[in-house]
Amino acid sequence: AQTVTQSQPEMSVQEAETVTLSCTYDTSESDYYLFWYKQPPSRQMILVIRQEAYKQQNATENRFSVNFQKAAKSFSLKISDSQLGDAAMYFCAYRSLSSGNTPLVFGKGTRLSVIA
Amino acid sequence: ETGVTQTPRHLVMGMTNKKSLKCEQHLGHNAMYWYKQSAKKPLELMFVYSLEERVENNSVPSRFSPECPNSSHLFLHLHTLQPEDSALYLCASARVGLDTDTQYFGPGTRLTVL
Repeated sequence: AQTVTQSQPEMSVQEAETVTLSCTYDTSESDYYLFWYKQPPSRQMILVIRQEAYKQQNATENRFSVNFQKAAKSFSLKISDSQLGDAAMYFCAYRSLSSGNTPLVFGKGTRLSVIA
Repeated sequence: ETGVTQTPRHLVMGMTNKKSLKCEQHLGHNAMYWYKQSAKKPLELMFVYSLEERVENNSVPSRFSPECPNSSHLFLHLHTLQPEDSALYLCASARVGLDTDTQYFGPGTRLTVL
């Protein structure tokens, strides 16, 4: 079974600085998707960024980018120019492509604080 | 964000009560999910419905009973719950068949069982 590990329960960053959240996963599959979700204090889970495993190019969405290292099974999230609104729980998730409607497997999350 | 809505947002119930959680998606998706989010634990997938058919049930106790009457609505019926069932219950939906089947989440129902 696949597992997702987020080794940093909590992180903090100064406003306007850059922070990297780590995520590693364990799988024997070659085709899959990886996601970062953000859950602000209001509790609405929001998709931040996604990465297809077959793509070598790292995904980027504005200030959010990933460092996808397939061989190392690592999928870190970099937030540049951090803003107060970035404070939230961040979840890394994995989805297999093996068959049909496979569910997401989530990590335990990293709580990010942004210091003004 | 109004793509996936959940009601109620907060619920307090006794162990002998019967209540239902409701989820509605306005995204034209064909799959819906129930997750349980407890403190310091990964999100736990409870049920998956695809094309209104339950396709996964992750060993959830029978005191939780899902219902999916159509592709836009999902319910979670609760009865004789235990205090350890107190958690945030998240609903999500996705369009199965597209490349990523990205799941979109509702705001959740914060459930407290006394």
